[in-house]
Amino acid sequence: KNQVEQSPQSLIILEGKNCTLQCNYTVSPFSNLRWYKQDTGRGPVSLTIMTFSENTKSNGRYTATLDADTKQSSLHITASQLSDSASYICVVRFTGGGNKLTFGTGTQLKVEL
Amino acid sequence: GAVVSQHPSRVICKSGTSVKIECRSLDFQATTMFWYRQFPKQSLMLMATSNEGSKATYEQGVEKDKFLINHASLTLSTLTVTSAHPEDSSFYICSAKIDGGYTGELFFGEGSRLTVL
Repeated sequence: KNQVEQSPQSLIILEGKNCTLQCNYTVSPFSNLRWYKQDTGRGPVSLTIMTFSENTKSNGRYTATLDADTKQSSLHITASQLSDSASYICVVRFTGGGNKLTFGTGTQLKVEL
Repeated sequence: GAVVSQHPSRVICKSGTSVKIECRSLDFQATTMFWYRQFPKQSLMLMATSNEGSKATYEQGVEKDKFLINHASLTLSTLTVTSAHPEDSSFYICSAKIDGGYTGELFFGEGSRLTVL
């Protein structure tokens, strides 16, 4: 069964600190992996999209890495800000059977003063 | 970036009534849109794939007569929750894929919170 697991489930950090969120997937065959940021009560907003041939991609203070061999991805947030408080969702596209997306359960990040 | 608009953002209705939620792609055409449901602290669950000019494709376990989807134009899909009950209370989100664009990119609406009393 295709699955996407994220860790930690929740995380609290101080403003200005860095953090790394993890995503492990068992989706196969794999097409691409995306990271989304979802503020409470809002729709997800895309941060990065990575294909199996890409190892790293940055978007401002967000840097995503992908290891297609171990089926792991990480999202690194640098110099966190209060506005980074949100749920971060890892989504993997499965190329077999209709290009379905498999959503992770998300990591709830809270940035405090 | 492309914008997807949902309306209403919040709706409260009485049990037994029907509620319609709209999903519009504001600056692009979208033959395909998707509807999701999200419970608190859980991930998005795909309910159905909405295709312009044809019937929607529902995921297993989703009642098509309960959740009516209409995709009458290239920029508008609607989800109607019929005879709503309190257990239908949830956060409903749509997403759209740009026609002719990179097939991996999806743009999400802001979501619609439904509360059924």
